Parts: sequence; C-alpha cells; structure tokens
Amino acid sequence: EPEVTQTPSHQVTQMGQEVILRCVPISNHLYFYWYRQILGQKVEFLVSFYNNEISEKSEIFDDQFSVERPDGSNFTLKIRSTKLEDSAMYFCASSEGLGVYGYTFGSGTRLTVV
Amino acid sequence: AQKITQTQPGMFVQEKEAVTLDCTYDTSDQSYGLFWYKQPSSGEMIFLIYQGSYDEQNATEGRYSLNFQKARKSANLVISASQLGDSAMYFCAMRRNQAGTALIFGKGTTLSVSS
Repeated sequence: EPEVTQTPSHQVTQMGQEVILRCVPISNHLYFYWYRQILGQKVEFLVSFYNNEISEKSEIFDDQFSVERPDGSNFTLKIRSTKLEDSAMYFCASSEGLGVYGYTFGSGTRLTVV
Repeated sequence: AQKITQTQPGMFVQEKEAVTLDCTYDTSDQSYGLFWYKQPSSGEMIFLIYQGSYDEQNATEGRYSLNFQKARKSANLVISASQLGDSAMYFCAMRRNQAGTALIFGKGTTLSVSS
C-alpha cells in the first residue's frame, strides 16, 4: 500500500537554528499538506501546496515557515529561527484531490527545540 | 469558517461494549466531508471512516459507523464491540468539498478500553 514517508522521525535542534523536515508524498497525489500537533493537543493545519505553489495557509504559517518541492518527489517544510514553542509533531499528508479516502498521512517528525 | 467540536476529553469503555464518540461541526458550506481518524500512542494518523454531506446513508466500515445527523450538524463515531487495541486518541475532522482543501480537526477524544 502506498505511503507517505517522513524523515527524520525525530529531530532535536537548538533554539534559533533552522530545520528542514522532509516528506515524500504518494507519487500520483497532487496536493500536499503540512500539519502540526503540539504534544497532547489538536492537529493544526499549516499549509497546502499544489502545482508548485501554496494554495492555502493558516495564520500559524507565518514568515518563519516555508515549503518547497525541490524535485519531483520531495516536499519540505523549513522552519527558520526555531523557538521552544515550535516543538511539536509535524505531519505531512498528500491527497489526489477530492477522493473519499483522499488524505494519507506520514508517520510524523517529532521536533524538539532545546 | 469551519469548526469541529469534540466535547469529550476522555471516554472509558469495557471490552466488547459499544461506545459513541461525539462530534459536532459548524460550516456555512453546503458540500463538505467529515472524517474520523485514530491516533494510537505511537503517533500515526489512521483514517477510519468518511461521510459526505450529501450521503443519505450513514457510513460504515467494519466495527466503525458514523451517526450522521445533518440538521443537528453532528457526526458521531460509533465503535461496536470495543477491543483493547481501540485505546487511542480519536479525531473528528472536516473539509470543504473543493480539491486540495485542508482538513480541520477537533481537539480529540481519548478512548480507554479495559478488560
């Protein structure tokens, strides 16, 4: 069964550093998403991406964040000048479009900012 | 704006019993989709069941069914014959029926199943 792959599974970074979280979406999916889940809390939408540009973003997704599809397979989330409150699980997801079973989530990257 | 409300922070059930997890939503859209996801302690998000706003019948997937009451804007998840492996966090989510739109999640309900 096709899956969304996220690397690394866990990343520890120092406050103020930049991190790049990587995702390989399902190959025939067209839409890509990043979500964030602070420990024990709800899953929050960050950004969606289609046709090499951002199609929707939340108020959380400010200038500290950026996304990129550097090649035909990877989808990355860059967080600049990390803060303690950026510590969370970050999920990548992809979808074909409006399919019933449309959203496939990766297993997440746990980011710890120290 | 869309909003999902899950009012039960935690639910407790015994093995083999049925349990209902509540979800209400708010949207001005006429066409939308409702989802339930399971998140075990290992952290991954597992899709359980989907209900379209125009579906006349309640969705079912094995032991999972969705009690959809459109007029009341509720989409409760019913798990029949609970198993120990059902212990997890459960999230209700919705999206507009427009390609590429994001899922909006509720705060989740922690289900604990005991023997």
